[in-house]
Amino acid sequence: NAGVTQTPKFRILKIGQSMTLQCTQDMNHNYMYWYRQDPGMGLKLIYYSVGAGITDKGEVPNGYNVSRSTTEDFPLRLELAAPSQTSVYFCASSYYQGLTEAFFGQGTRLTVV
Amino acid sequence: DQQVKQNSPSLSVQEGRISILNCDYTNSMFDYFLWYKKYPAEGPTFLISISSIKDKNEDGRFTVFLNKSAKHLSLHIVPSQPGDSAVYFCAATAQGGSEKLVFGKGTKLTVNP
Repeated sequence: NAGVTQTPKFRILKIGQSMTLQCTQDMNHNYMYWYRQDPGMGLKLIYYSVGAGITDKGEVPNGYNVSRSTTEDFPLRLELAAPSQTSVYFCASSYYQGLTEAFFGQGTRLTVV
Repeated sequence: DQQVKQNSPSLSVQEGRISILNCDYTNSMFDYFLWYKKYPAEGPTFLISISSIKDKNEDGRFTVFLNKSAKHLSLHIVPSQPGDSAVYFCAATAQGGSEKLVFGKGTKLTVNP
């Protein structure tokens, strides 16, 4: 049972480049989330989805886009990368909205230079 | 405006002793609280939760206490083990978990052998 799988684990981007962070889960969870964690800070919600075809903004959505075409996959797109997007990104999924017993991926460490 | 506060960035205890991690919240609508543990280079994992209808929840060595009047909760780990060394995040949600989670900044616990 793989749980939540994120790729890549590490990435260095140049300012202005774009990339997609992949996230897939095999637990048939309806709810999926993207968080970022900056040094010394808690997890901030970027975007979330309550099911295939439905997404909504979280606390810090600017500079990001998401899509949810299937239950399993929830990719996060960065357009025009900026140094402020240097962070560790976590994807998570849960059965309930409140993230009770949520499962997180291992994270993607992104550096924008 | 930080709704969930973990005022101690770090805590160091001796193996076998009690670890007490504290968390304060400001939003009186929060009614469900969770603790997550995070090891380096891994995603957070769910540890224990408590509903506002309770003031204590216990799971093995881990106990969470909730003081609603003080808007304060604490996580007790007894006895502490070196493997408990991790960052602990406090999180809160409203409406029984139907609202999105709000995370604190985390407390890094180090348990010394």
